[in-house]
Formats: sequence, C-alpha cells, structure tokens
Amino acid sequence: DSGVTQTPKHLITATGQRVTLRCSPRSGDLSVYWYQQSLDQGLQFLIHYYNGEERAKGNILERFSAQQFPDLHSELNLSSLELGDSALYFCASSVGGQNTEAFFGQGTRLTVV
Amino acid sequence: DQQVKQNSPSLSVQEGRISILNCDYTNSMFDYFLWYKKYPAEGPTFLISISSIKDKNEDGRFTVFLNKSAKHLSLHIVPSQPGDSAVYFCAGSDSWGKLQFGAGTQVVVTP
Repeated sequence: DSGVTQTPKHLITATGQRVTLRCSPRSGDLSVYWYQQSLDQGLQFLIHYYNGEERAKGNILERFSAQQFPDLHSELNLSSLELGDSALYFCASSVGGQNTEAFFGQGTRLTVV
Repeated sequence: DQQVKQNSPSLSVQEGRISILNCDYTNSMFDYFLWYKKYPAEGPTFLISISSIKDKNEDGRFTVFLNKSAKHLSLHIVPSQPGDSAVYFCAGSDSWGKLQFGAGTQVVVTP
C-alpha cells in the first residue's frame, strides 16, 4: 500500500459527460502529480501541484483541469469526454522538491462509451 | 517529445540470470532518475533511484548505473526471479520532482 488513495477505481461514462477523479496523497506529502496511461502507452505527465499551487503542466488537454485543496487532496476534472480519453489515470504524491520519490495510487480506470 | 526512451519493449530472461534494462534520455535538466515496476491493474511501485552526481546505486538485487556523458542509464536485476515479471519504467526527474517516463519494458522471467 503506497499510502496514496484514488477514487473511484473504475468509472464508465458516456461521451460528452464530465467526471471528477479524486486523489488523497500520502500523509505529509505536499506534491501531487497526475498521469495518464492510455492503452499500450507509457505514463504521460498531466499536471503537478505543490502545496495548493500549480507547478507544472504537461500534455494536459484544455478540457481537463485539476486543483489541490487546502487539505492537500487533489481532483482531476475531465469534461466533454471523448472515446480517446479512456485510460488509466494515476495520481502520485511526494514530499516535493529535488531527489524525491513519487508514490503512486492504484489508478482510476476511465472508460468512455 | 520523448525525453526518456526505453527502446526494448520486452525482455525475456531465465530465472537466476541477470536482467539488464536500458534507458536513454535527452533532457540535460534531469537531476534524478528512477525506476518503477508495474504489475497489471496496479500503480507503479518505486524500485530504485540514482542522483545525477552518482554513477551507481545498489539496493539488494537491483543496481542502477548512470552514464551522464552518454545520457544513458541501466537497471541490473540479479538474480532474476519469477516475481520480477512486470513492466519496468525508467523516469527522469526535474528539480520539482516531476517525472517523465519512458514507454516501459515488459520483463518476463522464465523458469
């Protein structure tokens, strides 16, 4: 158990809909990262928050947004969903800063039908 | 753009032998490198890391080597065990801890 909790584990929704994925980081970790893993693809970095502030953006679509709340949990919002958004979405957390390992949650499998 | 490359999508190795996984990177700003192991339907699990100021780090059966001039790192697993069968991801980290992953190498350890 990495200590990172993601909910829900599975999500099936229709095209055009909006969903929210939730992540609770390990106790004490200030950084939260979101990654997307599509079928047969590697882990694509989406966005990084540190102590409530956005620190870096990767290949995140404009239809996607995220935030980190004062209690440090984070939410990833995906809207106007398309079939191609079907993927595993992972959240990871770390204490932040240099030379630190990130610990991953079990992921949320999103299926858009 | 692919900043971290794992050119071998798969590797088959006999139990007890050495597994060598390779990784190349292009981003000179990476100052920390990590290897993760992933089983199906689970999140990646941290395995071992190395700072850019070192050229070797060892942890039990796992050793990571870094060649900065060649922008290359490798993971050695010896001896390989059946439980090592998984997908292994190499990642480069910037100063904020943001990880860029390679595409992964599927390792299969055969009896």
